[in-house]
Amino acid sequence: QLVLTQSPSASASLGASVKLTCTLSSGHSTYAIAWHQQQPEKGPRYLMNLNSDGSHTKGDGIPDRFSGSSSGAERYLTISSLQSEDEADYYCQTWGTGIRVFGGGTKLTVL
Amino acid sequence: EVHLVESGGGLVQPGGSLRLSCAASGFTFSSYWMTWVRQAPGKGLEWVAHIKPDGSEKYYVDSVKGRFTISRDSANNSLYLQLNSLRVEDTAVYYCAREAIRPYFDYWGQGTLVTVSS
Repeated sequence: QLVLTQSPSASASLGASVKLTCTLSSGHSTYAIAWHQQQPEKGPRYLMNLNSDGSHTKGDGIPDRFSGSSSGAERYLTISSLQSEDEADYYCQTWGTGIRVFGGGTKLTVL
Repeated sequence: EVHLVESGGGLVQPGGSLRLSCAASGFTFSSYWMTWVRQAPGKGLEWVAHIKPDGSEKYYVDSVKGRFTISRDSANNSLYLQLNSLRVEDTAVYYCAREAIRPYFDYWGQGTLVTVSS
């Protein structure tokens, strides 16, 4: 079964960096994913898609502070030079034939 | 610029029906898979259904099969979701989203709230 696992919460200080993790279920370690951001009281926004080799393509207007990387079944989203507006929920998303799957989301707090 | 605008949400009693709409602009609507995603209050995102560009293939999450129907009208650049036999647990903000060439969601609407309550 295709499942994405995310830690429920993360925190980091203003101006620091943070690395969020999304783990693919067993047997799906080569899958690509996408990262989405949802700021409080807003709809989601696409950040990037991320391949198993770490290559990624960002959405329109996404700052260079956002980057992606991969290792085995893990997909990472790194946000550098954290700003207050980065405080949000971050979801990873993947796909199979006829299904689309979201991780449970990580709530990022900027201290 | 891509725009997706949902409408049609509201308060409905359990067992009732509702039809959601999503007006699309800024891209060739007839070339893209389109998706509905929902988010229950305080919960994460849940994919609900999606539809092929020509409408010939439709897929649903198990919890809505037989109750919800996704459709599209390329002449009007619109996506729809018919919600029947609604349950309290269907209460959520419903978002429409465009699927990129690879099936991730590259544009989202602002959502419409569906509340199922007696």
